Amino acid sequence: NAGVTQTPKFQVLKTGQSMTLQCAQDMNHNSMYWYRQDPGMGLRLIYYSASEGTTDKGEVPNGYNVSRLNKREFSLRLESAAPSQTSVYFCASSSRDRVSRVSYEQYFGPGTRLTVT
Amino acid sequence: DAKTTQPPSMDCAEGRAANLPCNHSTISGNEYVYWYRQIHSQGPQYIIHGLKNNETNEMASLIITEDRKSSTLILPHATLRDTAVYYCIVRVPTSGGYQKVTFGTGTKLQVIP
Repeated sequence: NAGVTQTPKFQVLKTGQSMTLQCAQDMNHNSMYWYRQDPGMGLRLIYYSASEGTTDKGEVPNGYNVSRLNKREFSLRLESAAPSQTSVYFCASSSRDRVSRVSYEQYFGPGTRLTVT
Repeated sequence: DAKTTQPPSMDCAEGRAANLPCNHSTISGNEYVYWYRQIHSQGPQYIIHGLKNNETNEMASLIITEDRKSSTLILPHATLRDTAVYYCIVRVPTSGGYQKVTFGTGTKLQVIP
């Protein structure tokens, strides 16, 4: 059981280049999330997917797109990278209690460190 | 979500119990207390959560005061690997939809050999 995995671990892009960050979870969780973490600013939600087939914007969605490929995988795409997108990106997932349907804790991946020059 | 207040930093001797406090005086009746930690350069890690009863798991214990205005996370035998930033979060768990986790500044715990 690997939990939440992310690829790549590190990436350097030039301004204007595009790339896709990959995330997968093997815990059969319904909900998945993409966050970015900048120094001194904590975690900010970019996009989330409450369940397979649905995605919604979070706090800072501009410049990003997402795809919930299936229940396991949730990718984040930068179409035209900008220096302001230099950050550490975390993917997370969460499940719901079978009876109450209430979501509790989130499980995070190890992060992707992205630098845009 | 209720606001939380944590000390910015704490030290703990290796092998001793680490007691991390959190104030959440505006907590409402249906809000849970969650604890996460983030070891340097790693993703945040869920530790424990509770509503009003004390909780214990393999990682830690959570003590919530009777009026629920504060709580303490206890790491019973701190090791060097417990050096991390610890976040106390108070929120209502959602049914359906998503749950955005908002991390404050947390407490940086330094475990000293």
